[in-house]
Amino acid sequence: DGGITQSPKYLFRKEGQNVTLSCEQNLNHDAMYWYRQDPGQGLRLIYYSQIVNDFQKGDIAEGYSVSREKKESFPLTVTSAQKNPTAFYLCASSIGGANTEAFFGQGTRLTVV
Amino acid sequence: GQSLEQPSEVTAVEGAIVQINCTYQTSGFYGLSWYQQHDGGAPTFLSYNALDGLEETGRFSSFLSRSDSYGYLLLQELQMKDSASYFCAVRSMDSNYQLIWGAGTKLIIKP
Repeated sequence: DGGITQSPKYLFRKEGQNVTLSCEQNLNHDAMYWYRQDPGQGLRLIYYSQIVNDFQKGDIAEGYSVSREKKESFPLTVTSAQKNPTAFYLCASSIGGANTEAFFGQGTRLTVV
Repeated sequence: GQSLEQPSEVTAVEGAIVQINCTYQTSGFYGLSWYQQHDGGAPTFLSYNALDGLEETGRFSSFLSRSDSYGYLLLQELQMKDSASYFCAVRSMDSNYQLIWGAGTKLIIKP
């Protein structure tokens, strides 16, 4: 079955540690995205990539980093520079270009302890 | 800047019809999308409007008026499983054509 997979579902991090969230898709989509969602809020764009080996900052990129070495994979690293990392992180993909339908993974809930 | 406004919460009765409104401010508007998200789950795509008018997909319809910078999602024959949050999102030149999301409307359905 085609889809987009995020792992892990729950993640706990100590303050001062970097942590990497995985996102893999087998939909053959060119575009991939990372969003952050806080309770009762909409989604805010962290980073996006429209093609392999290229990515752009979204609205809240500070304290985060990404890579896009393969079409299928778009991992997100939450660095120690991110002041308030506890949130629900959603990865999405789309065909790209003018196509507007985004397909989401099930999310990773990150908690700093 | 760009912004989207939608009600934070709407309550309706099972079997009824409900409308969720969305107003937006942006430059270079490209289209308005609607997504559904159940608690703790991932958003799923419902509809997209680029042109004025009504788009119907089963029990759900979405409307856009570009001149009024306004759209709505209409849900008919409400079922308990429709209890979820509904997000409008716009794509525009302002956002480099990436989706900018409203804060979501929590739909509560009573039997």
